[in-house]
Amino acid sequence: QSALTQPASVSGSPGQSITISCTGTSSDVGNYNYVSWYQQHPGKAPKLMIYEVSNRPSGVPDRFSGSKSGNTASLTISGLQAEDEADYYCSSYTSSSAGVVFGGGTKLTVL
Amino acid sequence: EVQLVQSGAEVKKPGESLKISCKGSGYSFTNYWIGWVRQMPGKGLEWMGIIYPGDSDTRYSPSFQGQVTISADKSISTAYLQWSSLKASDTAMYYCARRAGGLQFEFDYWGQGTLVTVSS
Repeated sequence: QSALTQPASVSGSPGQSITISCTGTSSDVGNYNYVSWYQQHPGKAPKLMIYEVSNRPSGVPDRFSGSKSGNTASLTISGLQAEDEADYYCSSYTSSSAGVVFGGGTKLTVL
Repeated sequence: EVQLVQSGAEVKKPGESLKISCKGSGYSFTNYWIGWVRQMPGKGLEWMGIIYPGDSDTRYSPSFQGQVTISADKSISTAYLQWSSLKASDTAMYYCARRAGGLQFEFDYWGQGTLVTVSS
């Protein structure tokens, strides 16, 4: 199964908003609302930020939001803060293996 | 408090076998799927497979089927990932993670990771 497609890097200044895209197929993102987003700081384990396309776990700031249109899901971070600098990964259920597929990851740089 | 605590870093030679562990606490271990995720040096996350400790139902990613074995011992709330013959390309950080309950597919809690280094 192929990984979901994410941009390798995005950047933004403190206070600005950025959006990270995650493109899949009709076997995953397009037909299922089981899209999640994870944040990973260097040397740390991933942390769940968004699940089921747009839901935030308890404790995740509402600056983080998710959406989906067709085969592409998106993570938007508004009011960028320095601590948001990290790698971000999307994931989705995939019917091709009845499992999960991750995106290649996006490095967010806060300028 | 939900916790997943993984076994420590390993240094092995090609051809050797290895079994790493992931101990869950703070929740009903038998009622949640536990997955394994590989992260090769400087690379992204890869879903390897998942096990339901309650009945040991196990699913593998096609990329890892036949390459590793996932198991669990519910009596000690521990999941395992094992290799029978390691290769240098198995060098990576391996994470276990709990899949959220019900029909959800996200991983809501993660272990701290186990670094496996395979080198002659």
